Amino acid sequence: RKEVEQDPGPFNVPEGATVAFNCTYSNSASQSFFWYRQDCRKEPKLLMSVYSSGNEDGRFTAQLNRASQYISLLIRDSKLSDSATYLCVVNWGVTGGGNKLTFGTGTQLKVEL
Amino acid sequence: NAGVTQTPKFRILKIGQSMTLQCTQDMNHNYMYWYRQDPGMGLKLIYYSVGAGITDKGEVPNGYNVSRSTTEDFPLRLELAAPSQTSVYFCASSYRQGGEKLFFGSGTQLSVL
Repeated sequence: RKEVEQDPGPFNVPEGATVAFNCTYSNSASQSFFWYRQDCRKEPKLLMSVYSSGNEDGRFTAQLNRASQYISLLIRDSKLSDSATYLCVVNWGVTGGGNKLTFGTGTQLKVEL
Repeated sequence: NAGVTQTPKFRILKIGQSMTLQCTQDMNHNYMYWYRQDPGMGLKLIYYSVGAGITDKGEVPNGYNVSRSTTEDFPLRLELAAPSQTSVYFCASSYRQGGEKLFFGSGTQLSVL
């Protein structure tokens, strides 16, 4: 089983739709969780951290389910500019320095007119 | 602020050649990282550094070397390039370890033919 698994998509949705992605992780000791956004041929950029109680940033809502070991990202009122690949990132601790970040392979979202 | 700057953006190498990917950051971050991203794969950590003079191996260090003589610079050296090193390379930095936001450079697309 991969450490971090994501459905690669693509998810093709019309503008204005609501779309959700899930990401599962295998290490129950994972400590922190993030969603990064990566545009085609560009560098990843942090979209949002994922907190235990769930958190929202505008049209984006992130949830964490530790019992089932998954995180989710919900995007409401999709915009064309939301088209990108969304990377699930899990940190399962620090060993002698340096992040122990594991990146998922990403879920591709295409928002269409 | 320029953030994290990587050079070059593109490079083609012949098998057996060597090169250095440059990375510099102006945010006074202690932590710096080199990742590679292959198509359909998550980012893999090559090397990281927790401060000037301190480096350590990541998940996929074979065929690479790094140095960290200053806080700002973290070059990645490829010796005896092989086709398996064809990838997109990202340098990143963070203020602290353990899940802190990563700031990425714009990437270097390297082809080894």
